[in-house]
Amino acid sequence: NAGVMQNPRHLVRRRGQEARLRCSPMKGHSHVYWYRQLPEEGLKFMVYLQKENIIDESGMPKERFSAEFPKEGPSILRIQQVVRGDSAAYFCASSQREADTQYFGPGTRLTVL
Amino acid sequence: TQLLEQSPQFLSIQEGENLTVYCNSSSVFSSLQWYRQEPGEGPVLLVTVVTGGEVKKLKRLTFQFGDARKDSSLHITAAQPGDTGLYLCAGPPNFNKFYFGSGTKLNVKP
Repeated sequence: NAGVMQNPRHLVRRRGQEARLRCSPMKGHSHVYWYRQLPEEGLKFMVYLQKENIIDESGMPKERFSAEFPKEGPSILRIQQVVRGDSAAYFCASSQREADTQYFGPGTRLTVL
Repeated sequence: TQLLEQSPQFLSIQEGENLTVYCNSSSVFSSLQWYRQEPGEGPVLLVTVVTGGEVKKLKRLTFQFGDARKDSSLHITAAQPGDTGLYLCAGPPNFNKFYFGSGTKLNVKP
């Protein structure tokens, strides 16, 4: 029974490039959450999605960041025109129902040069 | 202001010692989860507590949910180096979205 999968595990981008982070939830889970974690800090909520819907994006920067969870395929977190401050670990979690226990993927570590 | 306050923020102890970490809020939570995160990895769920006053044991780890469902504690007996990590509490207050505490970073020295 596969857990939450994220790829790539590590991503290096130069300033101004685009970063695409993918997340496949656990089987049977239709709720996906994205978090950002800076070194030595806790998890910061970014966005909560259900299939084809953004439910809560209150934690996501208004510019350059977008997220989607299409009917088919993984959830995508997209960062356009990356800057050094975007360097962080990005974690995806999924749950079976809203506000249910969340299970995390291994994360994508983004480094912006 | 964090909805969930964890204390202490950092804890460094010797192998074999006991410790307790706390997770407190002024809000009522329908459930609380505890996670452990090791460097370079995602958080791993340890336990979910649901009922006020509930106590759950996981080998040397004891989790308690406060009677009023506003706080929780994690007690580790005879800590081992393998317990080293970031301990996070999280939960949905009143069935709304999930919130995470800022974590307790535990270092167990051999």
